Amino acid sequence: SAVISQKPSRDICQRGTSLTIQCQVDSQVTMMFWYRQQPGQSLTLIATANQGSEATYESGFVIDKFPISRPNLTFSTLTVSNMSPEDSSIYLCSVDGLGGASSYEQYFGPGTRLTVT
Amino acid sequence: SQQGEEDPQALSIQEGENATMNCSYKTSINNLQWYRQNSGRGLVHLILIRSNEREKHSGRLRVTLDTSKKSSSLLITASRAADTASYFCATVAGTASKLTFGTGTRLQVTL
Repeated sequence: SAVISQKPSRDICQRGTSLTIQCQVDSQVTMMFWYRQQPGQSLTLIATANQGSEATYESGFVIDKFPISRPNLTFSTLTVSNMSPEDSSIYLCSVDGLGGASSYEQYFGPGTRLTVT
Repeated sequence: SQQGEEDPQALSIQEGENATMNCSYKTSINNLQWYRQNSGRGLVHLILIRSNEREKHSGRLRVTLDTSKKSSSLLITASRAADTASYFCATVAGTASKLTFGTGTRLQVTL
């Protein structure tokens, strides 16, 4: 298994500002993902964070709104830009591919609870 | 977009009873997984069943998969108060690792 940490754990932000969320894994992984969970809803994949190249975004999500970095195999950031109250959600990172091979089972970070006022 | 629909949306049972949750999905899959989420926190992987498997067990968990009906069920036997959580099915299509989550079932186990 992997130990995944996220910073911050929660934040309250004003509309129009941006927040960068960090995801740190205690071992190298092949795949890192970012999900959004709106209040009372299920999880929706935002993008796959690719090491050394641009992230792969899902339909409905764009790089200008959710820029993602992945400088190495253990770390990634997600920025929520120009926030509005509709961005209030839990943002979770997850990983797959411990030791290089995908097992399809994903390990999730504890999430970042974002409230936009 | 979410692929899986789960029912019931909410389930309340007493400790010791069994809990059954159902998941339906729309397209062909490589595998189907079940996750648990406590109080809006991170998800914990419970069990994975591959498309060529029909049933799988792990402790008090039993998962079935019917690819002809595009459905799966999760059975938790002899439930405990600590099983109180939201349960999500998630599917993987093809060889990509991307998960597509269902709508989830909120399980409440009372003493």
